[in-house]
Amino acid sequence: SQKIEQNSEALNIQEGKTATLTCNYTNYSPAYLQWYRQDPGRGPVFLLLIRENEKEKRKERLKVTFDTTLKQSLFHITASQPADSATYLCASNAGNNRKLIWGLGTSLAVNP
Amino acid sequence: EAGVTQFPSHSVIEKGQTVTLRCDPISGHDNLYWYRRVMGKEIKFLLHFVKESKQDESGMPNNRFLAERTGGTYSTLKVQPAELEDSGVYFCASSQIQGTNEKLFFGSGTQLSVL
Repeated sequence: SQKIEQNSEALNIQEGKTATLTCNYTNYSPAYLQWYRQDPGRGPVFLLLIRENEKEKRKERLKVTFDTTLKQSLFHITASQPADSATYLCASNAGNNRKLIWGLGTSLAVNP
Repeated sequence: EAGVTQFPSHSVIEKGQTVTLRCDPISGHDNLYWYRRVMGKEIKFLLHFVKESKQDESGMPNNRFLAERTGGTYSTLKVQPAELEDSGVYFCASSQIQGTNEKLFFGSGTQLSVL
């Protein structure tokens, strides 16, 4: 079945470093991948969308890549700040319908 | 502009009782989605409205779940009778555009605990 996997281990990095989070998908070919941020007690907040024909997308300190050969998306936060600490979720379309399938998310902690 | 609002934020009920969750989407958003996250599992799709019509309800677990969207505005999700496995966080999301540019706006969710 279609599945998205994210590194379940929490990522701890030092302020100012680049955080890199991984999203792998199996058993399907998504038309696009989305990345969301979620803070405790809140709903996911949309960050970036990257389509299958796009290799890279940037928004301020965020960068997302999409490698259809590796079946993987990487999410980078450069010059990380403690305020970037949150859980980051990867999601994609599931075929031709509108529903999203989600990864479990990766918790990021940026230490001052 | 107000975001997606959900009510209540928390609900604790006993098995067999009925609970109704409410979602007010962003004004003008035709698309409304319900998702659920059970502890330790991924967020899972429940259903999708376009205005007042159910576009896709393939994720609804069973017939104990009933979703409505009267007049294409707010939506309710009723669970009757609730079972222990219904516990989780129920998220509502809305969007204006369909297609590959679709960006979902989520509410803060309703934490449902069935005891």
